[in-house]
Amino acid sequence: GENVEQHPSTLSVQEGDSAVIKCTYSDSASNYFPWYKQELGKRPQLIIDIRSNVGEKKDQRIAVTLNKTAKHFSLHITETQPEDSAVYFCAAINDYKLSFGAGTTVTVRA
Amino acid sequence: ETGVTQTPRHLVMGMTNKKSLKCEQHLGHNAMYWYKQSAKKPLELMFVYSLEERVENNSVPSRFSPECPNSSHLFLHLHTLQPEDSALYLCASSQDSDYEQYFGPGTRLTVT
Repeated sequence: GENVEQHPSTLSVQEGDSAVIKCTYSDSASNYFPWYKQELGKRPQLIIDIRSNVGEKKDQRIAVTLNKTAKHFSLHITETQPEDSAVYFCAAINDYKLSFGAGTTVTVRA
Repeated sequence: ETGVTQTPRHLVMGMTNKKSLKCEQHLGHNAMYWYKQSAKKPLELMFVYSLEERVENNSVPSRFSPECPNSSHLFLHLHTLQPEDSALYLCASSQDSDYEQYFGPGTRLTVT
């Protein structure tokens, strides 16, 4: 089945700096790659997603890049703000076969 | 925030008890999911239902038994659980597999 590795497990950045989280996947048939944000005590919520026919997608301060050949994708957050502090999960999906990364705890220091 | 609801929000049960978790989605989605979220572990997909038929069962012990009576409701029946089953159980729904999943608030389960 699909195996997703996510790095780093924790990330501390100064407010205003950028944060980058990377994920690799094993199933070359995976075609949908969402990123979820989970704030403390809350449910995961989608922040951005990308499909296998697209290499990059941007939504305001958040961007995701996908390299199908290397089977990795990354989340980029620019101009980080305190409210970006949360756990971020990547996932790789092929039909109903899906796997989540272990999560990255992002702390934005004021 | 009310698109996917779960009850109960907290549950404490002994290892010999039988209980059920309930999930309901009000979004008209055709797929529903059960996840287990433990500390320091990834979100673990347990079961997936598409159009009320189970499509994935990721080697989950038989002490967890899902039921999907219709596209809006999903249950997880629990019996003779172990302490290591203590975790947050999240339900989610989506319109097909390659679209956003909407998560419920979760049930915090403690097995004593």
